[in-house]
Amino acid sequence: SQKIEQNSEALNIQEGKTATLTCNYTNYSPAYLQWYRQDPGRGPVFLLLIRENEKEKRKERLKVTFDTTLKQSLFHITASQPADSATYLCALGSSGGYNKLIFGAGTRLAVHP
Amino acid sequence: NAGVMQNPRHLVRRRGQEARLRCSPMKGHSHVYWYRQLPEEGLKFMVYLQKENIIDESGMPKERFSAEFPKEGPSILRIQQVVRGDSAAYFCASSPDRVDQPQHFGDGTRLSIL
Repeated sequence: SQKIEQNSEALNIQEGKTATLTCNYTNYSPAYLQWYRQDPGRGPVFLLLIRENEKEKRKERLKVTFDTTLKQSLFHITASQPADSATYLCALGSSGGYNKLIFGAGTRLAVHP
Repeated sequence: NAGVMQNPRHLVRRRGQEARLRCSPMKGHSHVYWYRQLPEEGLKFMVYLQKENIIDESGMPKERFSAEFPKEGPSILRIQQVVRGDSAAYFCASSPDRVDQPQHFGDGTRLSIL
C-alpha cells in the first residue's frame, strides 16, 4: 500500500542554521508534491509545490527538492528563525485528474534562539 | 478575502447523537475536500466534492458518514450516531481548479464525543 514517511522525531535546531526535513514514499508515483506548515490548533498552510519533472523549487528562505528515483523530497529552511517552529507536512498528489492529496504524519520543527 | 471558514470550531456530542460540520470554501473555489486528523497523525483524505456532486468518497466510512456540497450554501459533513472513535479534528480545504493546485484549509472543527 502507499506509504509516506517523515521524520517522526522532532527536529531541534539553533536559530540561523538550516533545517532539512525528509519525506520518503513507497508504492506511489506522484505527479507532484506539496509542503504545508501547520501550527497547533490551526489548519495547514501551503508553502511550496514541486512537479515530477522538476528537481528543485525555491521561495525566499525555502527550498524543496524532488527525486523520483529515490522517491524522496527534501525541504530546507535556511537562516531558520524561532517563528519557523511548527509541524511541516509533506503531501503527494496524483495525476488522476483531480487534486486528491495523501499526507505524511509531519515533522515537528523547533528552532531555538 | 475571507479564507475557508469552518464552523463550529469545537463540537461536543454524546454517543449516538448527530454531528454536522460546515465548511464555506474560499470565494471562487468550487472544489472541496474533507480530511480527518487524529493527534500526532497526518491528515487522512475523506471525500472530494464539487458543487452538487461527490467525486471521490473513497476515504469516508461507508456507514454513518455523509457529505454534501449543495448549489447554494456551505459543504456539510454529517456523522450520524457518533461513537468515541469519531473524536478527531476535521479539516476542510478548497481549491480553484482540479489538478496541481494548492489547497486552502480552514482551521478545522474539533469533535469530541462524550
